[in-house]
Amino acid sequence: EVQLVESGGGLVKPGGSLRLSCEASGFSFSSYSMNWVRQAPGKGLEWVSSISSSSSYIYYADSMKGRFTISRDNAKNSLYLQMNSLRAEDTAVFYCARGSRLAGEVSPFDSWGQGTLVTVSS
Amino acid sequence: DIQMTQSPSSLSASVGDRVTITCRASQSISIYLNWYQQRPGKAPNLLIYAASSLQSGVPSRFSGSGSGTDFTLTISSLQPEDFATYSCQQSYRTPLTFGGGTKVEIK
Repeated sequence: EVQLVESGGGLVKPGGSLRLSCEASGFSFSSYSMNWVRQAPGKGLEWVSSISSSSSYIYYADSMKGRFTISRDNAKNSLYLQMNSLRAEDTAVFYCARGSRLAGEVSPFDSWGQGTLVTVSS
Repeated sequence: DIQMTQSPSSLSASVGDRVTITCRASQSISIYLNWYQQRPGKAPNLLIYAASSLQSGVPSRFSGSGSGTDFTLTISSLQPEDFATYSCQQSYRTPLTFGGGTKVEIK
């Protein structure tokens, strides 16, 4: 069974940093692209970032570029999101989502974690 | 960026009803369109990928159609567990974008 478990969320002040982690199990992690998707309270889904299976290709939403860094450790079956210069509008549930195993594609997102809440507030 | 517009934003329906949700892309995305269901307080769940392919384990009452800019998600006979929010997502190019969601409520 595919499992994705996020951690690292919490309350942080504006301008602060946070590192999210996603631990994967039940599938060959190194064969799949991985993604972060977020959802602000009461709002729709927003794609954040994607990383290919070997980390060769990395993509970011414009509003996160330069502030967020996605990475993965295939030996540890783990995905990460380093978030710096956080703003109030970054407050959201952040989901880890499994992408495609096809080269050059990062979606659809066929398995999701339960999400971790990030709250940016003074 | 490719904008995804869903309609309606919400609808009320009864168990057994046929429900249709529309998603329109701001430019042609071929069949690079996915549909997700999200129940309150839960993570999204992939229903349909590549516009019309049913994800494994998803009931056959769900179907998708369309190509280019116009897409449809149909629930042939609404069940109690289908009351949720449905979102489309284009995977044609980054930035990947989602529609605003359609909330399906009980009439």
